[in-house]
Amino acid sequence: AQSVSQHNHHVILSEAASLELGCNYSYGGTVNLFWYVQYPGQHLQLLLKYFSGDPLVKGIKGFEAEFIKSKFSFNLRKPSVQWSDTAEYFCVPKDKIIFGKGTRLHILP
Amino acid sequence: EAQVTQNPRYLITVTGKKLTVTCSQNMNHEYMSWYRQDPGLGLRQIYYSMNVEVTDKGDVPEGYKVSRKEKRNFPLILESPSPNQTSLYFCASSVRTSGSAKNIQYFGAGTRLSVL
Repeated sequence: AQSVSQHNHHVILSEAASLELGCNYSYGGTVNLFWYVQYPGQHLQLLLKYFSGDPLVKGIKGFEAEFIKSKFSFNLRKPSVQWSDTAEYFCVPKDKIIFGKGTRLHILP
Repeated sequence: EAQVTQNPRYLITVTGKKLTVTCSQNMNHEYMSWYRQDPGLGLRQIYYSMNVEVTDKGDVPEGYKVSRKEKRNFPLILESPSPNQTSLYFCASSVRTSGSAKNIQYFGAGTRLSVL
């Protein structure tokens, strides 16, 4: 069965810290992976996506993610977070649109 | 403008009083889905529909019904709401559910439901 797991359910960082949120997937075949973000009080938005090709994917707002096939991972990164990055982040595989429990990120001003 | 529209945005009701939350998309998408979001549980899929007149249960379908008579609309029906259905509900749509690299979901703004 297809599944993803996010390692950290709650992350607290200071502004300007570097961010890495872990995501591991466990299915074979064609791999399509997405990161969605949900800002407080808002609906989910697509942050970035990986279909094929360059494993380093750049998204909006300075986020990027690297698909590492050997590690079954698709971690989300940002070199320097801002207070406005406080949100919940979801790693999602294709197909049945299975969502993990998400990672709640708090940035301290 | 491409969008998914849910109504109402906020609803307070009492146990047992039937209600419907509407969802409409203007992108001619085949796939539509309903989720509920609860603290600590993330997003859980209630029902989904792969096309008109094709619906199927998600992970938490109990207490809910859906219908897909037209491509653009996918209402969520609570025949007899109970307090454990107090939650934040999201409708979503996408081009298709599998076999496509363009499987991006578009979400509505959410419906916050409180059942007293």
